[in-house]
Amino acid sequence: AQSVTQPDIHITVSEGASLELRCNYSYGATPYLFWYVQSPGQGLQLLLKYFSGDTLVQGIKGFEAEFKRSQSSFNLRKPSVHWSDAAEYFCAVGAGTASKLTFGTGTRLQVTL
Amino acid sequence: EAGVAQSPRYKIIEKRQSVAFWCNPISGHATLYWYQQILGQGPKLLIQFQNNGVVDDSQLPKDRFSAERLKGVDSTLKIQPAKLEDSAVYLCASSDARWTSVGTQYFGPGTRLLVL
Repeated sequence: AQSVTQPDIHITVSEGASLELRCNYSYGATPYLFWYVQSPGQGLQLLLKYFSGDTLVQGIKGFEAEFKRSQSSFNLRKPSVHWSDAAEYFCAVGAGTASKLTFGTGTRLQVTL
Repeated sequence: EAGVAQSPRYKIIEKRQSVAFWCNPISGHATLYWYQQILGQGPKLLIQFQNNGVVDDSQLPKDRFSAERLKGVDSTLKIQPAKLEDSAVYLCASSDARWTSVGTQYFGPGTRLLVL
């Protein structure tokens, strides 16, 4: 069965600083990987996804993520964080034979001005 | 394109009462999911439908939870009787991918349930 680990429960960055959120997955074959963002009181919004091909994936709101098979990682990055990026970020993995997603426990991002 | 709709947005009930949540997926999406998100955790899949058939309910506490999608569109999730540990956000998601393949899931705003 697949699993996802997000090692950082809470991260604080200053507005304008760069951001990297870590995600490690466990799955025996090529995974399908997702990053979602959840603002307070809201549902989950898809930021980006990796299914195959180029391992550097561009998403919405200036986010990108890089799939590294050797490290079983799919870290999310943004070069310059805005105050509106404060939210909870979830990494998820899907298996190829079924559409069930397994989510990590999330990383809460706080942005200081 | 309209997103996934859910109602109610908030619900407070006493333990042992019953409650129902409603979900209307994106038009044309055959696959529908219900997730439970407990505070501080990621969403956990409760049940997955392909059209009006259940394809995965292995994580659904069937002694108290039930769900249906009678016409393959809207879905209802019910809890009867509720326990304190059922306090959570219940998220509905839909996808145009078949249940046998991974596609993008689109989430509704969720229903926040508090059981007192």
